[in-house]
Amino acid sequence: GAVVSQHPSRVICKSGTSVKIECRSLDFQATTMFWYRQFPKQSLMLMATSNEGSKATYEQGVEKDKFLINHASLTLSTLTVTSAHPEDSSFYICSARDEVGYTFGSGTRLTVV
Amino acid sequence: RKEVEQDPGPFNVPEGATVAFNCTYSNSASQSFFWYRQDCRKEPKLLMSVYSSGNEDGRFTAQLNRASQYISLLIRDSKLSDSATYLCVVNSRGAQKLVFGQGTRLTINP
Repeated sequence: GAVVSQHPSRVICKSGTSVKIECRSLDFQATTMFWYRQFPKQSLMLMATSNEGSKATYEQGVEKDKFLINHASLTLSTLTVTSAHPEDSSFYICSARDEVGYTFGSGTRLTVV
Repeated sequence: RKEVEQDPGPFNVPEGATVAFNCTYSNSASQSFFWYRQDCRKEPKLLMSVYSSGNEDGRFTAQLNRASQYISLLIRDSKLSDSATYLCVVNSRGAQKLVFGQGTRLTINP
């Protein structure tokens, strides 16, 4: 089946630094990818929809200047958390739509100290 | 009101029991419905899609009631490996994004 590879799986960074998370579709092309955030014991919340070759669409309340999304190719989307703060610590998951449905990356656990 | 609502549980049931979860959604334009399973600190994985006529996959049965806007999942003969969080997910016609419920946590006890 379709595979979405997400890296890194875990990252710890200092407050004020930036972190880049990559999401790759390995055996299919994804014109659209989705970025979610999940806090402990809460559901996945869509942050933004990443569109290949165009600007991402952000959900209400998500700062586009803080969460930079780049979808430069049909197989790669990146999310950069800029000037990270402890409250940005969360589980970030990407997803891509394939022929069957939606495939998720394995997630990135970000801890900002 | 949340767009997709689920009882967060936790549900603790003995191995072999039958357990049922319900989920309600508020957007009447919702067209596609799914149950996902999420293990602790892992990504969600598709358990099954939910069709209007109801569908079954082994020990799992999903039902959709459009009039009442609720979705159900029934697990028969539960196994220890069924312990997970079950996410009710919907999306609307023409909309690509998925909307997730909070999830229902299930623990199967030996």
